[in-house]
Amino acid sequence: KAGVTQTPRYLIKTRGQQVTLSCSPISGHRSVSWYQQTPGQGLQFLFEYFSETQRNKGNFPGRFSGRQFSNSRSEMNVSTLELGDSALYLCASSLGAGPFYGYTFGSGTRLTVV
Amino acid sequence: DAKTTQPNSMESNEEEPVHLPCNHSTISGTDYIHWYRQLPSQGPEYVIHGLTSNVNNRMASLAIAEDRKSSTLILHRATLRDAAVYYCILTRGDGGSQGNLIFGKGTKLSVKP
Repeated sequence: KAGVTQTPRYLIKTRGQQVTLSCSPISGHRSVSWYQQTPGQGLQFLFEYFSETQRNKGNFPGRFSGRQFSNSRSEMNVSTLELGDSALYLCASSLGAGPFYGYTFGSGTRLTVV
Repeated sequence: DAKTTQPNSMESNEEEPVHLPCNHSTISGTDYIHWYRQLPSQGPEYVIHGLTSNVNNRMASLAIAEDRKSSTLILHRATLRDAAVYYCILTRGDGGSQGNLIFGKGTKLSVKP
């Protein structure tokens, strides 16, 4: 069974640019969440999607956005990149939305902003 | 959201049991207790979760105190591969809430050969 796939694995962008990251969940999983991990702040929740609807959003500026498609694949977009956006971005999928389910994480996309 | 408290680090010897504690004194009746671990250079990995009763799976056991104010993740025989940061997380199960995970700093487990 394929795991959660995130593309690309590594990305280098320039300040001011925008970036789109992709996440393909485990087949049958309908919930997709995104997290940012940095050495200073640790793992922080960005947003969660279920059946193409954003169910919850973390405390991040509006430059961070996401969407989910009908096949449950998800993308997140960061506009007007700042140096502080350099981080590991992790996607996690789950059978359903809510606290009753365990989440499976991908290996992440390492974004470096220069 | 209810908060969890874990020791910053713990050490174990290979092939010995490991008990990782977590305090969550402000847990509400509908909060689920989740454990995840993160190996170096990897995304977090689900370990186990439970509500009230003790839980077992192929990876570990979760022992939940009767008053639910604390829990313990038990690795029955530690291997070198178990060296990771272990996160104890509460998720609200009151129906109107979300399942997003709020990660703390976790416990860094070192396993000695």
